[in-house]
Amino acid sequence: DIQMTQSPSSLSASVGDRVTITCRASQIISNYLNWYQQKPGKAPKLLIYAASSLQSGVPSRFSGSGSGTDFTLTISSLQPEDFATYYCQQSYSSLYSFGQGTKLEIK
Amino acid sequence: QVQLQESGPGLVKPSQTLSLTCTVSGGSISSDYYYWSWIRQPAGKGLEWIGRIYTSGSTNYNPSLKSRVTISVDTSKNQFSLKLSSVTAADTAMYYCARIRAAAGTNYYYLDVWGKGTTVTVSS
Repeated sequence: DIQMTQSPSSLSASVGDRVTITCRASQIISNYLNWYQQKPGKAPKLLIYAASSLQSGVPSRFSGSGSGTDFTLTISSLQPEDFATYYCQQSYSSLYSFGQGTKLEIK
Repeated sequence: QVQLQESGPGLVKPSQTLSLTCTVSGGSISSDYYYWSWIRQPAGKGLEWIGRIYTSGSTNYNPSLKSRVTISVDTSKNQFSLKLSSVTAADTAMYYCARIRAAAGTNYYYLDVWGKGTTVTVSS
């Protein structure tokens, strides 16, 4: 099984800040890595697929990078609507797995 | 556009079988381009992938749940279903169904359309 580990588990930031969330895979997964945003009471929403491709309709302040085992999600300038929980997910294996999530809170 | 809707009992007794259905509207479940998946989330916790199914009926399951999970597809009803047997309180969660697709011309798969979720509580 491929384990996904995110850091930090929680993060406090202010509107306008640049924020980076990290995701590490327990084995090489090339760039088969996706990022999701989840707000309270809502289903997750796809932000980034294939490590760095922006899903249609997602603001350009979101970006993803990385390959192999280490990946990052960056929000260039936090907006009020970005405070949420973020999850990475690997699709390298046909047995998918998610990171434990990073909760982004308002400072 | 495609929409997914979960349905099923909100309360299941311990040791019984949890059964949920996901109805796909606005598109065909039989399309060659998609897999269909179940994911769950206990209250206040993270996402757990349960498994996926292709229109042919081919399945993949989370190893930690494999012995108890069955996912099936009914193309005539444009639905796919989840059965989880021998449930305990640990199976209490929000259950989501989702569509899996690949980026055009690639095998980079991702979950692009999600249902709103349905809460299942395991309790006597």
